[in-house]
Amino acid sequence: DVKVTQSSRYLVKRTGEKVFLECVQDMDHENMFWYRQDPGLGLRLIYFSYDVKMKEKGDIPEGYSVSREKKERFSLILESASTNQTSMYLCASRLARANEKLFFGSGTQLSVL
Amino acid sequence: AQKITQTQPGMFVQEKEAVTLDCTYDTSDQSYGLFWYKQPSSGEMIFLIYQGSYDEQNATEGRYSLNFQKARKSANLVISASQLGDSAMYFCAMREGSTNAGKSTFGDGTTLTVKP
Repeated sequence: DVKVTQSSRYLVKRTGEKVFLECVQDMDHENMFWYRQDPGLGLRLIYFSYDVKMKEKGDIPEGYSVSREKKERFSLILESASTNQTSMYLCASRLARANEKLFFGSGTQLSVL
Repeated sequence: AQKITQTQPGMFVQEKEAVTLDCTYDTSDQSYGLFWYKQPSSGEMIFLIYQGSYDEQNATEGRYSLNFQKARKSANLVISASQLGDSAMYFCAMREGSTNAGKSTFGDGTTLTVKP
């Protein structure tokens, strides 16, 4: 069974903390993505990686960075967490072919207090 | 400018009836793909159906079909014979380009409620 695993389902952090969200996939997918989901705003792309050590900014990269040192792992980093980064974060992956669907993790609900 | 537009924040449908969820998109690429995903209250994202920009026939997957009108840049999802389990949030998404680096953009979603 294919799997995208996000390290935490719920996370509570303080303003100013450095936060790491981890995502691991076991499908040998080239492409990996980080989205945030907020009510009424759909899924907004933060960053994506089309291969190891490669990354591209999405639509809302400000305040975030990413790391992809190994093919199976894609980390999202909040350098200094702020309250407006309270959100549901979804990781996804897929094969690098045009018609391939995304496989999603179960999400991390991050609260920044 | 928003690349994927879903104009219906919420929709209601009677059980066993058909329902159409609207999606329009904006791209200058010739090669792209359109996807629909379902997100039940449990939060998991479930892939429903895919349509490629060069596909001449509308995609179908069981009770799901995609009404693809390329000139109008619309890719509406049709659910036939609605079931109570179809109550969920539905997202339209687009992948642009044919390279291995194409990003996927989502719409704001439509919440579908199926009434018994």
